[in-house]
Amino acid sequence: EVQLVESGGGLIQPGGSLRLSCVASGFTVNNNYMNWVRQAPGKGLEWVSVIYSGGATYYADSVKGRFTISRDNSNNTLYLQMNNLRAEDTAVYYCARGDSWGSGTLVIVSS
Amino acid sequence: DIQMTQSPSSLSASVGDRVTITCQASQDISIYLNWYQQKPGKAPKLLIYDASILKAGVPSRFSGSGSGTDFTFTISSLQPEDIATYYCQQYHDLPPFTFGQGTKLEIK
Repeated sequence: EVQLVESGGGLIQPGGSLRLSCVASGFTVNNNYMNWVRQAPGKGLEWVSVIYSGGATYYADSVKGRFTISRDNSNNTLYLQMNNLRAEDTAVYYCARGDSWGSGTLVIVSS
Repeated sequence: DIQMTQSPSSLSASVGDRVTITCQASQDISIYLNWYQQKPGKAPKLLIYDASILKAGVPSRFSGSGSGTDFTFTISSLQPEDIATYYCQQYHDLPPFTFGQGTKLEIK
């Protein structure tokens, strides 16, 4: 059974950093393209980033230069390193394989 | 970047009604379109991919059609458990893989 479990969210001050993790089971992260998608409170879905099986990465303009997507094949985990966080980054962050999504982790950027 | 225009933004219908949501892409995306269902407090669930292919286990009252720039999502007979927000998402060529604004479906 495919399962994705995110962690690492929390309350962080503007300008701070967080690293989100997404542990996958039932498939190999390295062999799939994996996404991060976020949803601000009461708002719609916003695609954030993708890493392809070959390693290529892409980002939404709103996070480019501040966020970095990566993966660790040894523990089948996807990451999102988030630096220089802003209030507008406040959202539930989901990792997704397209057909399967985690339950999300909440990031609140506030002083 | 490709923009996705989804309509309506909200919809009220009765149990048993046929419900239709549309999504228009700002350029040709072939058939590279997903439809998701999201219930309050839950993660989105993929219902349809490649514009018209029903994911395994999804009830057959859900369907999708279209190609190019114009797409339609249909619930043939609305059930109470279908109350949710629905999103389209394009995945043509290179990212960003943009979502539509969402359609909140309510029971009349």
